Amino acid sequence: AQTVTQSQPEMSVQEAETVTLSCTYDTSESDYYLFWYKQPPSRQMILVIRQEAYKQQNATENRFSVNFQKAAKSFSLKISDSQLGDAAMYFCGVQGAQKLVFGQGTRLTINP
Amino acid sequence: EAGVAQSPRYKIIEKRQSVAFWCNPISGHATLYWYQQILGQGPKLLIQFQNNGVVDDSQLPKDRFSAERLKGVDSTLKIQPAKLEDSAVYLCASGRTGKNTEAFFGQGTRLTVV
Repeated sequence: AQTVTQSQPEMSVQEAETVTLSCTYDTSESDYYLFWYKQPPSRQMILVIRQEAYKQQNATENRFSVNFQKAAKSFSLKISDSQLGDAAMYFCGVQGAQKLVFGQGTRLTINP
Repeated sequence: EAGVAQSPRYKIIEKRQSVAFWCNPISGHATLYWYQQILGQGPKLLIQFQNNGVVDDSQLPKDRFSAERLKGVDSTLKIQPAKLEDSAVYLCASGRTGKNTEAFFGQGTRLTVV
């Protein structure tokens, strides 16, 4: 079974500042992948960043990076230089041999 | 590349009625997912197909929900009879075969049961 926990229902950050969204997960599988998806108010979810569990190096995509702590089963998302367009719901997800499951989400607000 | 298409976008029905949602995945995508997203919550996986076979349907309420994927392409999700608690957004997503592949989501169908 796979579970994902996002302990921060809401976060806010000043424009141009840095924010970190937390995620912990649990899986019995040894080979799995981790994802962060963004869901803007229009509702269509899009991939932000992904991490292979077997890779120790943290993934980075422009202003988005992750802190992957495999032993602690932690997978946080850091957004640098926050922009107004980053405002959205963010979902952490884990995919093992089969299904892709998500956490409850964190609503990120960007203050101008 | 065309995205994942879902219809209808919105649906309002009375409890105990039936409803069907349709999803057309991205061409060539073998994996298709149906998620239920209740307002303020994360997406809950209802069923996952690999081509036209079911990979996981452990959280699908089989007494009222059913889903099929015709010829490994389009998919329909049906609810019969609907309950008030079925009010949610139903998201369809598709992806290529494999674990480290991006899931592409449709716009969703917002269902309101009154």
